[in-house]
This record gives sequence, structure tokens and C-alpha cells, in this order.
Amino acid sequence: GESVGLHLPTLSVQEGDNSIINCAYSNSASDYFIWYKQESGKGPQFIIDIRSNMDKRQGQRVTVLLNKTVKHLSLQIAATQPGDSAVYFCAENIPPGGGNKLTFGTGTQLKVEL
Amino acid sequence: ETGVTQTPRHLVMGMTNKKSLKCEQHLGHNAMYWYKQSAKKPLELMFVYSLEERVENNSVPSRFSPECPNSSHLFLHLHTLQPEDSALYLCASSQDRTIGNEKLFFGSGTQLSVL
Repeated sequence: GESVGLHLPTLSVQEGDNSIINCAYSNSASDYFIWYKQESGKGPQFIIDIRSNMDKRQGQRVTVLLNKTVKHLSLQIAATQPGDSAVYFCAENIPPGGGNKLTFGTGTQLKVEL
Repeated sequence: ETGVTQTPRHLVMGMTNKKSLKCEQHLGHNAMYWYKQSAKKPLELMFVYSLEERVENNSVPSRFSPECPNSSHLFLHLHTLQPEDSALYLCASSQDRTIGNEKLFFGSGTQLSVL
């Protein structure tokens, strides 16, 4: 079946630099995408989401870009901080909609070096 | 704080034990979910409840038995588990299951170890 994948399992960045975490999806019918952050010992925490009728969405220090042509999703974190260290994973929603149709990737470990 | 509370945070049980995981959401949501998170694997959906009715069961072994007495509470009853069932079990909720409400709110999970 189709699944969501990530290009890099681990990403190390220097504090203050920008981070870019990538996600590839293979279902062209996916209409909604979401990024979660999971810190050690905690459950996944919502970061940002985007619908397929958009190609960019910005939040506080985070931006999600969607390229439907190549089925690629990215999460950009500006001025990365030590508190950003966590596993980040994306999920896609395949219609018909509903939370139970979210398909998750395995995650990218972001390590922020001081 | 996400508004979804899970207890216990950690659980160690033998293969012959019976235990239950509890989840409570304070968000007024109508849908609740159980996910299994194993190391280096994507989250696996186990069960979905909508307005206290089970609407999805993703081929989960019968040794896992969910219960949803009301829209705020969800349980996962465990019995005769296997060591490979050791994982982080996550509860989540969403407003409902309609388009526009795909966002899931997760609890902190129960880290289960089966000996």
C-alpha cells in the first residue's frame, strides 16, 4: 500500500540555524497533511497542517511547503532552538476524510547542537 | 497539555496478567483512537470510536479489547499479551471524523513492557 516516508532519519543542526525536514508521499489523492513533534517520553504534538489546495503555510517559526507535482512536503523551522530537539513526523490524509485515515511516517530525529 | 490524559504512564506486565489502559479527553471531542507506536515504525492505528461506537478495528488481535463507555473515556483492556506487544500505546481524539477535523490530539501514552 502507499505510505508516507522521510528522506533522512537523523538531522543535526546548529542552534540558530534553520532546519528543513522532508517528507515524501506517494498518494496523489491525499488532501491534507500534518506535522507532529514528539519529544522523548511524550505523545505527538501538533505543529502545523496544510490542505492540498495550498502550497505554503506559516506558523510561529515554522513553515510547511507542499509540492504536489513531486509529492513532497517539508517542514522548515527558523532559528532552531535546543527545545526543538525531537522526532518530527508527517502524516497524510487520504480521502474520504476523517482522522482515522491519517497515515504516518516513521519520523526524523532532529538534534540541535549548541 | 493537550487535553488528553492517559494512565498509567508506564506498565510492566507478565504474559498471563490482565491490565487496562485508560484515556480521558477534556476537549469535548466525539472521536477517540488507540494507536500503537513501536520503535522505528510508523504509528499503527488500532481502534477508532465515534460517538462511543466502534467504527474501525484494524485487524488487532483479540488479546486487545477496547471499551468506550462515553465520548470522554476510552479503555484498552489487555490480556495474555506477548513480548512483541511491548510498545508505546497512544490515545488520541478528534472533534469528529468529518472533513476539516482530521487533526488528532494525542495523550502522552502508556509505555508497556510485556515480560
